[in-house]
Amino acid sequence: EAGVAQSPRYKIIEKRQSVAFWCNPISGHATLYWYQQILGQGPKLLIQFQNNGVVDDSQLPKDRFSAERLKGVDSTLKIQPAKLEDSAVYLCASSSRTSGGATVTGELFFGEGSRLTVL
Amino acid sequence: RKEVEQDPGPFNVPEGATVAFNCTYSNSASQSFFWYRQDCRKEPKLLMSVYSSGNEDGRFTAQLNRASQYISLLIRDSKLSDSATYLCVVNMSWGKFQFGAGTQVVVTP
Repeated sequence: EAGVAQSPRYKIIEKRQSVAFWCNPISGHATLYWYQQILGQGPKLLIQFQNNGVVDDSQLPKDRFSAERLKGVDSTLKIQPAKLEDSAVYLCASSSRTSGGATVTGELFFGEGSRLTVL
Repeated sequence: RKEVEQDPGPFNVPEGATVAFNCTYSNSASQSFFWYRQDCRKEPKLLMSVYSSGNEDGRFTAQLNRASQYISLLIRDSKLSDSATYLCVVNMSWGKFQFGAGTQVVVTP
């Protein structure tokens, strides 16, 4: 079974430029997450999708970050304009859900991440 | 107060020794609990779920104390390959997973 795919693996940009990250979750996984992990910290949830709907985007800096999952499969996270403090690894994860809604196993499957450096 | 707190360590452990560390959570309504392992510059991976009765997986034992709102992880007979950051993860609700900052474990020969 193919895992969570992310691209690009690495990106270096200057502040005020824009960047986009792509994620393709495990086939059949309805829930998709974008996390930001700054060096030395745990992953911080940016946005959670259930199919193509947003479940939680309370910690997404909406003035500069946007994300979409138009067809309920792959997803794109965009940052525009980037700031120095956006330097981090952006992790995409997916999980399965039951028809009742709540995640049963609690296992999140992560991609390898996209490492962003903002200069 | 952070929703999930962990001692960042590092815990320096001689090979073969036992190490244990805790994680506290603030939301008493949290539904489920997990330990993830993250190797340097790699993505987190599920190590084990944590059940109310406590559970063991080989050399790893996890326990949950709902009354005091903490979970623990114990590693027996530590191996060099156990060196990693261990992330405490709490499922708040509706599949919302809150991560701790991680506890670094360094196993030395």
